[in-house]
Amino acid sequence: QKEVEQNSGPLSVPEGAIASLNCTYSDRGSQSFFWYRQYSGKSPELIMSIYSNGDKEDGRFTAQLNKASQYVSLLIRDSQPSDSATYLCAVPSYNFNKFYFGSGTKLNVKP
Amino acid sequence: ETGVTQTPRHLVMGMTNKKSLKCEQHLGHNAMYWYKQSAKKPLELMFVYSLEERVENNSVPSRFSPECPNSSHLFLHLHTLQPEDSALYLCASSPSTSNQPQHFGDGTRLSIL
Repeated sequence: QKEVEQNSGPLSVPEGAIASLNCTYSDRGSQSFFWYRQYSGKSPELIMSIYSNGDKEDGRFTAQLNKASQYVSLLIRDSQPSDSATYLCAVPSYNFNKFYFGSGTKLNVKP
Repeated sequence: ETGVTQTPRHLVMGMTNKKSLKCEQHLGHNAMYWYKQSAKKPLELMFVYSLEERVENNSVPSRFSPECPNSSHLFLHLHTLQPEDSALYLCASSPSTSNQPQHFGDGTRLSIL
């Protein structure tokens, strides 16, 4: 079992729709969770952090965490073509010496 | 974002060459990391340094040799690489090896002939 799993996509949504990206993780001791956005040919850019169960909103982005289900998601409201990128879920190990990344979900927002 | 700077941005080398990748962070962080990103594969953690001390070596071949002279600089020395080592090499830093996010440089695109 991989430490962090994501659907590779591509996930295609029309402009203005809600994009929903999902991630599951295997380490029950994990305490922090991150979403990165990576444009083609660029480095990953941090867009959201979440540490406790529930929802965290930042502009058009909402991260949702359910530790009991070992599930974290990212919702993008009013999706724009500029949101088209690969979204990486990242989860530090319990001792924080390792940072596990999912393989990423590619999002295409169609104008 | 120029918090983490990597040089060179692109590197082409033969299998018998020796080269080094450089990373510098201006964020006052104490932890630095090297990652490898190959096409259609997840980011692979290679090395972790905390306060210039290596705390993680993720079963990386000895042809990759890291060096961390201080908390702001990180090098990756390359020697007798293989074609499968062609990838994007990313450097990242974080305040410490804790539950805080990492910040990435722009990467070095490495091609082995």
